[in-house]
Amino acid sequence: DTGVSQDPRHKITKRGQNVTFRCDPISEHNRLYWYRQTLGQGPEFLTYFQNEAQLEKSRLLSDRFSAERPKGSFSTLEIQRTEQGDSAMYLCASSLDSGAYNEQFFGPGTRLTVL
Amino acid sequence: DQQVKQNSPSLSVQEGRISILNCDYTNSMFDYFLWYKKYPAEGPTFLISISSIKDKNEDGRFTVFLNKSAKHLSLHIVPSQPGDSAVYFCAASANFGNEKLTFGTGTRLTIIP
Repeated sequence: DTGVSQDPRHKITKRGQNVTFRCDPISEHNRLYWYRQTLGQGPEFLTYFQNEAQLEKSRLLSDRFSAERPKGSFSTLEIQRTEQGDSAMYLCASSLDSGAYNEQFFGPGTRLTVL
Repeated sequence: DQQVKQNSPSLSVQEGRISILNCDYTNSMFDYFLWYKKYPAEGPTFLISISSIKDKNEDGRFTVFLNKSAKHLSLHIVPSQPGDSAVYFCAASANFGNEKLTFGTGTRLTIIP
């Protein structure tokens, strides 16, 4: 399977703990996006990378959130001191920057539950 | 500020008939529009897209129409099949589709056998 993969698929944690999620994009894709989806809403943009450079961060991304893509391949999203409001589905997507009109392809998501 | 709106939370259609899902947007900078299909506990799956230089794009049973003056797009599925039952999200992007996606809240489509 050469699609976008995410790990873990599910994470249950206690409030105040740190969690880290991993995303492996489609191998030739140079753009990688993180989104968050809560119940009844569409996915909301968090941040994106072009290769290893983080080009944009949403206001939704508080100081407790950090994302990296160290070698321009996989990416990690870390949430420090988790809060119950962080409970959501975290989605990763990738695309190939071929000039214009590039579809984003999504992974299966990581469902986070903060108790 | 909801820049992409899907005003119908749910839609039920008889198998074999046409399903029409609607989407409105407010940001004039959007120039690329996509439809995604989502099953529970899975990520969104790309269905079909259209750039602002076109008003129609077809792919098999799926057709997307874009009305730029009305800032409205629609997804037509014909004929509808039971496997089409899912949540459908409309999404939009600016800068020739090279920016983040802004999603609507989704429409749950149920195909009745």
